[in-house]
Amino acid sequence: EVQLVESGGGSVQPGGSLRLSCAASGFTFSSFYIHWVRQAPGKGLVWVSGITGGGSSTNYADFVKGRFTISRDNAKSTLYLQMNSLRAEDTAVYYCVRGTYYALDVWGQGTTVTVSS
Amino acid sequence: QSALTQPPSVSGSPGQSVTMSCTGTSSDVGSYNRVSWYQQPPGTAPKLMIYEVYNRPSGVPDRFSGSKSDNTASLTISGLQAEDEADYYCSSYTSSNTWVFGGGTKLTVL
Repeated sequence: EVQLVESGGGSVQPGGSLRLSCAASGFTFSSFYIHWVRQAPGKGLVWVSGITGGGSSTNYADFVKGRFTISRDNAKSTLYLQMNSLRAEDTAVYYCVRGTYYALDVWGQGTTVTVSS
Repeated sequence: QSALTQPPSVSGSPGQSVTMSCTGTSSDVGSYNRVSWYQQPPGTAPKLMIYEVYNRPSGVPDRFSGSKSDNTASLTISGLQAEDEADYYCSSYTSSNTWVFGGGTKLTVL
């Protein structure tokens, strides 16, 4: 079974840092582009970042550039999102999502990040 | 990158058909067939329902169909069922090598 399991969420003060992880199983991890997508409470889905299968190319939404870093360890089938300089507006459920050329086809269950003083 | 535009809500009775729109620009929906739709019942993770504008993944009922004209994509659900009640999101690849979602449409089955 194809599965993505996020972890690392929690509560942090504004300006703080957090690292999210996403453990993949059931497919050849290194062959797939992987995304991070977030959803603030009561709001819609927002694309955050993505990384190619080999990890050589990364992409970011403008609102996280310079603050968030996406990376992966294909030997461990694990995706990461290092989040620095966190703001209240970064509060959301963060989903790890497998990507194909045409869509985001497999979603994790999400991990919750709360930024508050 | 601005979000794609979706109507906040649509509704229909069981057995009826509903169509929801997703309007982008020539930098996303209008230029690529990499348009997809996702279903999200309350408290759950999104699920892919349509990819490449009109294709359905295995297991998605053929009551769900997609289309696109110029900068606007559409999702049609025919033979509405109570279990279809959920939030629906469209998404597209963009010319900036990023992806963008719509604001979501809440489907109510009356």
